[in-house]
This record gives sequence, C-alpha cells and structure tokens, in this order.
Amino acid sequence: KNQVEQSPQSLIILEGKNCTLQCNYTVSPFSNLRWYKQDTGRGPVSLTIMTFSENTKSNGRYTATLDADTKQSSLHITASQLSDSASYICVVSGSINNDMRFGAGTRLTVKP
Amino acid sequence: DTAVSQTPKYLVTQMGNDKSIKCEQNLGHDTMYWYKQDSKKFLKIMFSYNNKELIINETVPNRFSPKSPDKAHLNLHINSLELGDSAVYFCASSREPLAEGVNEQFFGPGTRLTVL
Repeated sequence: KNQVEQSPQSLIILEGKNCTLQCNYTVSPFSNLRWYKQDTGRGPVSLTIMTFSENTKSNGRYTATLDADTKQSSLHITASQLSDSASYICVVSGSINNDMRFGAGTRLTVKP
Repeated sequence: DTAVSQTPKYLVTQMGNDKSIKCEQNLGHDTMYWYKQDSKKFLKIMFSYNNKELIINETVPNRFSPKSPDKAHLNLHINSLELGDSAVYFCASSREPLAEGVNEQFFGPGTRLTVL
C-alpha cells in the first residue's frame, strides 16, 4: 500500500467552480508535505510546502491545508480556470533517510 | 534562462543499447534528483545526490548509473536498455534535501525515452 494516497483519481469541473483534492499519508516521522501541479508534457511545479506546524498555506487561488494529527492534507482550488487542468501530486517527506513518498496524483480537467 | 535543463528531450533507441541523459541546473543548488514517470503518470524517485554524494538510491536496476561530475550536473547512464525502461525521466534540483527544509524543488522539462 502506498504511503501517500490521493483522491479522487480524476475530477472534471466547470470553469469558475471550486474543487478540493485530498491527500492522506502514513509517512512517519513527518518532515513536510508538498503539492505540485504538472501540466501535460511538462515537469511538476511546486505549489505549496507545509511543515508540521503549519495548517494552511495559500498560493494565489490554491490553498493547501494540513492536519498532521490525522495525516491528511487537502488542496482547494478557487474559481477554477481552464489552465488549472493538470495533474496535482502530493509528496510527503519523512525526516529519516531523506524518505520521499509520492501520491499517484489527481487528474483535474476544467471545462468551459 | 532555463533553471533545470535536460538533453535530449526525446530519445528513441533499440533494446540492448546504452544511452545517457544529461541534466544541468544553474540555480546553485546542492541537491539533484532523477525521477521516472511511467505511462500511468506515477512519479518515482530513482536517485538523489547532495553535494555530489549519493543520498537516495531507490530500488533501481544496476543498469541505471547516475554520475555527478559537479554540483551543477547529474547525468543518468542506462545500460542494456529494456522495453520497460520506456518512460519520461525528470531531473530536478533543490537547495538542500527536501526532508531537511522547506526549500523548493525545480524540475526539468523531462526526457521521453522510447525503447523499441
């Protein structure tokens, strides 16, 4: 079982709508959690980075939350745009041996 | 200026051949990575170097050998290529290992390897 589980696997929404992507992890001890956006045919781009003590971080229309007690994170996208269509990947780093665990990603499609 | 660059962008080769992919970063970062992204788009870490020393070496066949001539370069050499090696390979860099802080990681554009 992957130590980082993302849901849903894919999501289709209409332009202008909000959506929330989920990431649950079991990586322990925990160092930080990152959300990346990957456009088709390109490398991932960092959206947010959160440590144990942070429970919210925003980057424009993207807001990530972290509950380190329940080991859950979410990425909320507000007022979606067509350019938000991409895969969103959750990555959790453990604090031992540079452990990094990747989620399988959520494929978001924003339709006009 | 491209922060993390990879060459070539596309690589098509026959099974059994040996090939190399090059990566360079001009960000002054100490840590570099190689990732493999398969057809299902799942991204997997392969190797990571910090200050030219190997710090992450996931379960990767011995046919894959990373080489870091200096902190700005991390090349990937693959021997005896197999069909299953077909994937997109991404290079990335960060100021320090990701587990040690909140430093950003920057990815290259990827190299699409097709083994026939």
